[in-house]
Amino acid sequence: NAGVTQTPKFRILKIGQSMTLQCTQDMNHNYMYWYRQDPGMGLKLIYYSVGAGITDKGEVPNGYNVSRSTTEDFPLRLELAAPSQTSVYFCASKASSSSYEQYFGPGTRLTVT
Amino acid sequence: QKEVEQNSGPLSVPEGAIASLNCTYSDRGSQSFFWYRQYSGKSPELIMFIYSNGDKEDGRFTAQLNKASQYVSLLIRDSQPSDSATYLCALYLATGFQKLVFGTGTRLLVSP
Repeated sequence: NAGVTQTPKFRILKIGQSMTLQCTQDMNHNYMYWYRQDPGMGLKLIYYSVGAGITDKGEVPNGYNVSRSTTEDFPLRLELAAPSQTSVYFCASKASSSSYEQYFGPGTRLTVT
Repeated sequence: QKEVEQNSGPLSVPEGAIASLNCTYSDRGSQSFFWYRQYSGKSPELIMFIYSNGDKEDGRFTAQLNKASQYVSLLIRDSQPSDSATYLCALYLATGFQKLVFGTGTRLLVSP
C-alpha cells in the first residue's frame, strides 16, 4: 500500500492563479481531510469528506473548494491564489467513524507570490 | 480561549532525561486525545492516543489524561536526540463530526 499520496510536493503560484492539489489514498478509507499548516502553527482543517459525494467545510474553507467523486481521490482546488494561502497542505484519511487514527500524506508546500 | 493550548517551547532536555509536554483544552465534552510527532518538513505521525482518565504507557512514552482539570500530557523517558521534533496535541471535539483540532505544538530539543 502506498497509503496517502499527494502531488505536487512543491509549487509556486502567482497571485490570482488557480491550481488543484491532488490527494489519493489506497486504503479504502471513507473519511478524508485537508489541512493547512502555517509556519510554527498547528494544523487547521480546510474541508473534509465522509464518503464519495459528501463534503463539508472545516475551520478555514474560504478560497478553497473540494470534490469527492471516488473513495480514493479528494482534490483541493485553489481559485484566485492569494499570499495568505502560502502554507503546507496535508491530506489525511481515516477508515470509518469508529476508527480514530488519521493517516497523513507527505504534504504539498505552496508559495503564492 | 483557544480550544487546544500548548507551550511552543523549545523545551530543551539532555539525553537520557524525561521530557514532559503539556496540553490544555477548553471543550469539557472532548473524549479522545492524541499526541502526534512531527519532524521538520515531514507530516505528523500518531504516537499516542488516550481517552480514559489516568496513564497510558507505550514503550518510552506515557500519556496522562485528567479530564477534570482538562489537561493531557506526554512523558518521554530516556529521551534521545532522535526524539527532537515538534509534538502536536490534538483532540476530537464533542461536537464537530470527527474533526481533529490541533494545538500549535511544542518543539522538543534533546541534546547529546
